[in-house]
Amino acid sequence: GDSVTQMEGPVTLSEEAFLTINCTYTATGYPSLFWYVQYPGEGLQLLLKATKADDKGSNKGFEATYRKETTSFHLEKGSVQVSDSAVYFCALSDLLKRGSTLGRLYFGRGTQLTVWP
Amino acid sequence: KAGVTQTPRYLIKTRGQQVTLSCSPISGHRSVSWYQQTPGQGLQFLFEYFSETQRNKGNFPGRFSGRQFSNSRSEMNVSTLELGDSALYLCASSPDGDRVRTEAFFGQGTRLTVV
Repeated sequence: GDSVTQMEGPVTLSEEAFLTINCTYTATGYPSLFWYVQYPGEGLQLLLKATKADDKGSNKGFEATYRKETTSFHLEKGSVQVSDSAVYFCALSDLLKRGSTLGRLYFGRGTQLTVWP
Repeated sequence: KAGVTQTPRYLIKTRGQQVTLSCSPISGHRSVSWYQQTPGQGLQFLFEYFSETQRNKGNFPGRFSGRQFSNSRSEMNVSTLELGDSALYLCASSPDGDRVRTEAFFGQGTRLTVV
């Protein structure tokens, strides 16, 4: 079945360091891929998305490229800030699969990021 | 445009009781889905409603149920609460239009504690 695997945390970085959070997926079709961020005590906010192979999603300095050949969607940021401290979730929605919709997302376990000043 | 609104934000219930959580989607969105988030299991899909019909269902016992009203607002109900039902319950809405180019928008969640 569809699934997402992302690197275990926690990840602790100094401000202005480079960030990579790995995400790989398994899907039978051609999924759309997402990164969501969750701040303490809050719900999920969409950070970026990509809907087809080789698409690059970007937002707020974060980027991720949809790599079909390696079934990956790694999240990167060149220079993290203290305000980026949060939990990051990789997710997929296999919209071409019977019964799949945007309402049914498959999530990774989340990666806790802490950035120190 | 108002976001997804979930009420209440916090709930404390006793084992064996039942609870109803409410979700108001973004205006114009017809799909509402529910997720349970726990430290042990992560984010797990409960069910999705579209135009008052359950369209998808996750792997949860029958104690978990939901419904959607004609104005797209949704409620989920958990009966005979167990300690393991303590979790953050998240609601998400999506427009279900050009699905490839849209996304699910999440509410802030309802934190349920069962004692």
